[in-house]
Amino acid sequence: GAVVSQHPSRVICKSGTSVKIECRSLDFQATTMFWYRQFPKQSLMLMATSNEGSKATYEQGVEKDKFLINHASLTLSTLTVTSAHPEDSSFYICSAMGLANEQYFGPGTRLTVT
Amino acid sequence: GQQVMQIPQYQHVQEGEDFTTYCNSSTTLSNIQWYKQRPGGHPVFLIQLVKSGEVKKQKRLTFQFGEAKKNSSLHITATQTTDVGTYFCAGRDSGTYKYIFGTGTRLKVLA
Repeated sequence: GAVVSQHPSRVICKSGTSVKIECRSLDFQATTMFWYRQFPKQSLMLMATSNEGSKATYEQGVEKDKFLINHASLTLSTLTVTSAHPEDSSFYICSAMGLANEQYFGPGTRLTVT
Repeated sequence: GQQVMQIPQYQHVQEGEDFTTYCNSSTTLSNIQWYKQRPGGHPVFLIQLVKSGEVKKQKRLTFQFGEAKKNSSLHITATQTTDVGTYFCAGRDSGTYKYIFGTGTRLKVLA
C-alpha cells in the first residue's frame, strides 16, 4: 500500500526559531499533498494544498509567510514554521493524494515551541 | 464556507452492540471519504463514495451516501474492541479540489 513518511516525528524548539517538516511519499508519486493541523481530540484543519512545481494554496486565516510550503518534487513536500511561537505548538500532519483522490497520511509531527 | 459536522461527538458502546455516525455537509458534495484514526495514530483511508444514494460494505462496516449528496453515514455492526478510534468523514465540495474533514466521532468499545 501507499506509504507516506514525515520527519521529524517530534521536535522541540525555542520561540523565534524556524522548524522544517518533511513529508515524503515513499512508493508513489503525488502531484498534490495537503498539510493539516490537528489539536488534541479535534478534527484535522486543512492549512494548505501543496502542488508540485507551483505555489501552495493556503486556507483562509493561514499565514503563508509563517507557514512556508515547498513541493519541489513528486515525492517531497516541506512545511517550514518560521519564527515559531508557543501558540504554533500542535500536531502537524501531511497527506499525499492517490490516483482515486484518496489521501494517504503521514504519521504526523508533534511540534512543541518553548 | 463549507462546514462538515458529525454526530455524535462521542459514543461508548458495549462490545457486540451496533454503532452509527452521521456526517452532514452545509454544501453539496462531489464525493465523500471516511477515515479512521486510532488513538495516537494518523487517519487511515477506509472508503470513498461518489454516487447519490450509494451504499458500500466492508465486512461489518456499511457506508451510505445520501440522495442529495449532503450527508453520509457509517454503521458498524457488532462492534469489537479493535473498532476503537475516531471516525472522520471528509467531504469534497463540488466546486473545489480539497476535502474538508468532519468534526469526528470518537468511539469507545467496552469489553
